Amino acid sequence: EAQVTQNPRYLITVTGKKLTVTCSQNMNHEYMSWYRQDPGLGLRQIYYSMNVEVTDKGDVPEGYKVSRKEKRNFPLILESPSPNQTSLYFCASGTGQGTYEQYFGPGTRLTVT
Amino acid sequence: GENVEQHPSTLSVQEGDSAVIKCTYSDSASNYFPWYKQELGKGPQLIIDIRSNVGEKKDQRIAVTLNKTAKHFSLHITETQPEDSAVYFCAACSQGGSEKLVFGKGTKLTVNP
Repeated sequence: EAQVTQNPRYLITVTGKKLTVTCSQNMNHEYMSWYRQDPGLGLRQIYYSMNVEVTDKGDVPEGYKVSRKEKRNFPLILESPSPNQTSLYFCASGTGQGTYEQYFGPGTRLTVT
Repeated sequence: GENVEQHPSTLSVQEGDSAVIKCTYSDSASNYFPWYKQELGKGPQLIIDIRSNVGEKKDQRIAVTLNKTAKHFSLHITETQPEDSAVYFCAACSQGGSEKLVFGKGTKLTVNP
């Protein structure tokens, strides 16, 4: 089944404790992206990657890091999480190359206390 | 940058009625307009999209129209069913490398049996 998977689905952590949210897709997509979803603010892009080893900032990149060492994986890293990063996070992938269609994972609900 | 406005924020209809959700965008360079359906606890699911060289697209009970001159596009759902109840998001994507989707803030659709 073609899908985007994320792990963990739920995470409660404390301020300053580094964490990684994994994202993997099995559709051989070149494009991958991370979004966060907050009430009243909708979905906003954090980082994106056009291909392996190519990443760039989205609209809200502060406090996040990403890497794209393999085509299928695009982990989101929070080096020192803060309470304002409490949110619902979605990974998405797409074929890229100007097609623009993106398919989303099931989401990761993160709470930072 | 691109800005997408979506209305209404909530919409309640009777089963069998039609539902219309409207979005406006600001960047005339945007050329791809997807609609996503998000059910509770799930990631956004692409349900239909339209590109700037097309004025209307239909897929069974759902249709999308695009007016490039006025910079607005709409989602039409006919013969609504209770399973259509969800949050619907419109988005716009500009040409260029990032393929970033800029989302509206969503419409919560409730279809009453």
